Amino acid sequence: GDKVKQSPSALSLQEGTNSALRCNFSIAATTVQWFLQNPRGSLINLFYLVPGTKENGRLKSTFNSKESYSTLHIRDAQLEDSGTYFCAAEANSAGNKLTFGIGTRVLVRP
Amino acid sequence: GGIITQTPKFLIGQEGQKLTLKCQQNFNHDTMYWYRQDSGKGLRLIYYSITENDLQKGDLSEGYDASREKKSSFSLTVTSAQKNEMAVFLCASRPEDGSSYEQYFGPGTRLTVL
Repeated sequence: GDKVKQSPSALSLQEGTNSALRCNFSIAATTVQWFLQNPRGSLINLFYLVPGTKENGRLKSTFNSKESYSTLHIRDAQLEDSGTYFCAAEANSAGNKLTFGIGTRVLVRP
Repeated sequence: GGIITQTPKFLIGQEGQKLTLKCQQNFNHDTMYWYRQDSGKGLRLIYYSITENDLQKGDLSEGYDASREKKSSFSLTVTSAQKNEMAVFLCASRPEDGSSYEQYFGPGTRLTVL
């Protein structure tokens, strides 16, 4: 988990508000993936990023490889956004492998 | 599109028992992975395989064996289950054709050792 550090570890959000999650890398990350693990335990793919920014509905993610971080922004949070968000990074030195952070637990309150 | 299936969904074993978990994917992906997730923690890589009959160790390979019988299937064996062990084992796959290196995950097998 130290190679990929996620913050905050937990987050409680009022429905309709915005928030940001962050990952800092101590490896030379080349690509980043963000996942949402729902209460049933399934990992849902949110974003696959090379350096740059992607947007999908109320979610937006940026990967800055030079400064070794990635962010995930949640806009207008909904109850179904609750779960644990994981980021994972691949580095050239690590071959075909992803290194995961320990996750950010998000609870959206009505 | 495609799907990854894992069997069984739930596995209850006895201490010292040898247990096998199976994973199938119909994406026609080249690389397949086995991860372990302990409660409240991130995923740790056990084994991966970049092609049929290939096997590469991850960070957590001790206590496990794996087998890539064919391109679509990847099995994991817990060689000797540890008492009171509880974890979720997640299988994943990804292509190596240069289109994308995005990993996709199966629903998991939940292991409990009595």
